[in-house]
Amino acid sequence: GAGVSQSPSNKVTEKGKDVELRCDPISGHTALYWYRQSLGQGLEFLIYFQGNSAPDKSGLPSDRFSAERTGGSVSTLTIQRTQQEDSAVYLCASRDRATGELFFGEGSRLTVL
Amino acid sequence: KNQVEQSPQSLIILEGKNCTLQCNYTVSPFSNLRWYKQDTGRGPVSLTIMTFSENTKSNGRYTATLDADTKQSSLHITASQLSDSASYICVVSVPGDSNYQLIWGAGTKLIIKP
Repeated sequence: GAGVSQSPSNKVTEKGKDVELRCDPISGHTALYWYRQSLGQGLEFLIYFQGNSAPDKSGLPSDRFSAERTGGSVSTLTIQRTQQEDSAVYLCASRDRATGELFFGEGSRLTVL
Repeated sequence: KNQVEQSPQSLIILEGKNCTLQCNYTVSPFSNLRWYKQDTGRGPVSLTIMTFSENTKSNGRYTATLDADTKQSSLHITASQLSDSASYICVVSVPGDSNYQLIWGAGTKLIIKP
């Protein structure tokens, strides 16, 4: 597709379960970001991938959060043993190398009951 | 500490009116300043990107200004439409090896009333 694709768009899970969120960036974009946005709040940086370089994981809130990017394209954000405070919209963005512009997906809304 | 502060936190105006949103930052040095529009339930969409040497940039009815000396930016919306109702986010990019670090403001929530 032409834009950043995220799935699932909505996920409801029970506390303690693991979840996986997927991001398919724009083809050719080597930089990829994950952000978290709680209701009514600003974007919180989670992790950044750039090509084959080691990712910047400085924004991950706990060791329950991890992310990988296979083949420099699709990325998966995994949250283990989910907690209610993990409920938020998880946004993925890829960056155009030439302009520096970020293109966001529509997000994955996670609700932990 | 690198910070981006936006004001007002929220704003309600009548359709057809103009408005100006403010962004003050303490980020130094910086590579560029961006304004994003985020509709409810959607991902942010880029409106403008300005480097430190640019004073103004327009995108249709949206005009962003930048004063790098006072570290202030504004986003002016002309002849507002109902579809302008959204959050507007100011973002400052910090230079680095990969030029990736972005400092995000909390956004201004704009509501346009008919």
